[in-house]
Amino acid sequence: QVQLQESGPGLVKPSETLSLTCTVSGGSISSYYWSWIRQPPGKGLEWIGYIYYSGSTNYNPSLMSRVTISVDTSKNQFSLKLNSVTAADTAVYYCARVSGSYTKAYNIDYWGQGTLVTVYS
Amino acid sequence: DIVMTQSPDSLAVSLGERATINCKSSQSVLYSSNNKNYLAWYQQKPGQPPKLFIYWASTRESGVPDRFSGSGSGTDFTLTISSLQAEDVAVYYCHQYYSTPYTFGQGTKLEIK
Repeated sequence: QVQLQESGPGLVKPSETLSLTCTVSGGSISSYYWSWIRQPPGKGLEWIGYIYYSGSTNYNPSLMSRVTISVDTSKNQFSLKLNSVTAADTAVYYCARVSGSYTKAYNIDYWGQGTLVTVYS
Repeated sequence: DIVMTQSPDSLAVSLGERATINCKSSQSVLYSSNNKNYLAWYQQKPGQPPKLFIYWASTRESGVPDRFSGSGSGTDFTLTISSLQAEDVAVYYCHQYYSTPYTFGQGTKLEIK
């Protein structure tokens, strides 16, 4: 069964860049879409964006100007960079697998455990 | 963006009784070319990631108990738990994957009465 594990700093200063990596095990990163979703403490889920294993991306317009998602198929990893962070970016960040075909992404099926990133000054 | 609105925000049901959670989308998530509703349901327990329970509006994920069922089409959907068990206490989210940006409902907190 595929497993996902987020890694990266748990504390980021305002105006700096949040960087997280998701390592995929138990399966290949190929032939799937891979996504980042976040959840502020005590709140709901916000989709950040996804990347196809080939490198094509789709971002939430609300974050598009600050987000970059990249993939490294040789390491079975994908990454998130969110720049110019503020306290509003404090959240649990989840990486996840998205089922789908070459032409269309479908539902999110597997999730990582999540990692809390706090923006503090 | 497609706005997903769940009702109620919280729900208390007695053990063994039926629980019903509703989800309404601001536009249809039914894809006409394949007649599929691009709607999923997730269960989230405290300190855990969401877990996929239902996709295509009514297809149960492998391992999900058959007391859980999804129904609906177009813009109105329902998650039903036929006989509530203690382990079903959680927050449930609906999610549309018809178009980006993907969006989620605000969540429904299910508790034992």
